[in-house]
Amino acid sequence: DAGVTQSPTHLIKTRGQHVTLRCSPISGHKSVSWYQQVLGQGPQFIFQYYEKEERGRGNFPDRFSARQFPNYSSELNVNALLLGDSALYLCASRLYRGLAGWEQYFGPGTRLTVT
Amino acid sequence: KQEVTQIPAALSVPEGENLVLNCSFTDSAIYNLQWFRQDPGKGLTSLLLIQSSQREQTSGRLNASLDKSSGRSTLYIAASQPGDSATYLCAVGDTGTASKLTFGTGTRLQVTL
Repeated sequence: DAGVTQSPTHLIKTRGQHVTLRCSPISGHKSVSWYQQVLGQGPQFIFQYYEKEERGRGNFPDRFSARQFPNYSSELNVNALLLGDSALYLCASRLYRGLAGWEQYFGPGTRLTVT
Repeated sequence: KQEVTQIPAALSVPEGENLVLNCSFTDSAIYNLQWFRQDPGKGLTSLLLIQSSQREQTSGRLNASLDKSSGRSTLYIAASQPGDSATYLCAVGDTGTASKLTFGTGTRLQVTL
């Protein structure tokens, strides 16, 4: 079975530009989360979607937005890019494990460099 | 606000040694705790998921324990191998609707020959 897929793998953008990152969850998973990981740090929660509805949002500015499509794939959009947006953007597909709660499976990430 | 701390930040051990990685969290109202492995520049691989009411979980040479009341978890790796070299991240899942994960900054492990 294919895992979580993300595209593109790497991306270089200039300050002020806009970027769209894409994620496809594991087949059968209806929930997707986005995380930002700055070099040397743990991932930080950005958004969580379930059944195409936003279910949670982290402490990120309104320049960050996302959506989930009927096939459960998702896009993360970032406007007016800043140098500080340079990071590895991770998408996670979630599976409900009953009493154990949600288990998250991460994709390989998109490395965004803003110059 | 949940804060997760991992100690040590880096660790180097010879092959074959047993080792323990530590994780602590400030808010005991968690839903679960998950340990991940991350190779340089790569995504995260899930290792173990522990429900908040469980005390431990095992997978092969890995054993994770959870003491929710004291806000601590440990990851025990038995008979370490060079292939275990990676960064290990601890993440706690909250009880909210999003069940978002709050991560520590990780322990970078190197297993030498």
